[in-house]
Amino acid sequence: DAKTTQPNSMESNEEEPVHLPCNHSTISGTDYIHWYRQLPSQGPEYVIHGLTSNVNNRMASLAIAEDRKSSTLILHRATLRDAAVYYCILRDGYTDKLIFGTGTRLQVFP
Amino acid sequence: GAGVSQSPRYKVAKRGQDVALRCDPISGHVSLFWYQQALGQGPEFLTYFQNEAQLDKSGLPSDRFFAERPEGSVSTLKIQRTQQEDSAVYLCASGSGGRGTNEKLFFGSGTQLSVL
Repeated sequence: DAKTTQPNSMESNEEEPVHLPCNHSTISGTDYIHWYRQLPSQGPEYVIHGLTSNVNNRMASLAIAEDRKSSTLILHRATLRDAAVYYCILRDGYTDKLIFGTGTRLQVFP
Repeated sequence: GAGVSQSPRYKVAKRGQDVALRCDPISGHVSLFWYQQALGQGPEFLTYFQNEAQLDKSGLPSDRFFAERPEGSVSTLKIQRTQQEDSAVYLCASGSGGRGTNEKLFFGSGTQLSVL
């Protein structure tokens, strides 16, 4: 199963942008890059996903490197409610399994 | 309901007991996944259903674990003869598309199982 590497933790101040990096050097051509986040005592929540091009939605932006070996999740203005564990996941286009790593714990300070 | 519902929210079992965990996916969702999440770890894949068909059970840790989705909607994860190492949060997720559609998944809040 394809794997990703993320920093264990990151910190941000409220209303500042946050860039969460992810390395996935073993990505294959059919793997999609997915991001989910998990708040305490809740199940994971979908954030965004992409294949090759950068993606934007109401929650975040996803910047994908040209060689696809890394990506960055961008929260444009962090809020206290964005404090969570963020998982970068390579989703196998055939099996559909999400293979989670240990994620990045984001702390947001007022 | 609006989301994926799991019950019970908490379950305490004595070692050796059998337990059954229920998942009500979003109505009409084709895909259903079960995950196991140990404390401080990311969720780990257990099994996958497309409608009533169990297409992947490669993540089930032993033959004590069994999952079913007989009518293609509600699913039950059963653990026989529970062991302390089974203590974890069990998460269910559903998706609107079938295999290969790469759609987003919706997760329930999980069942926290504690085996004493």
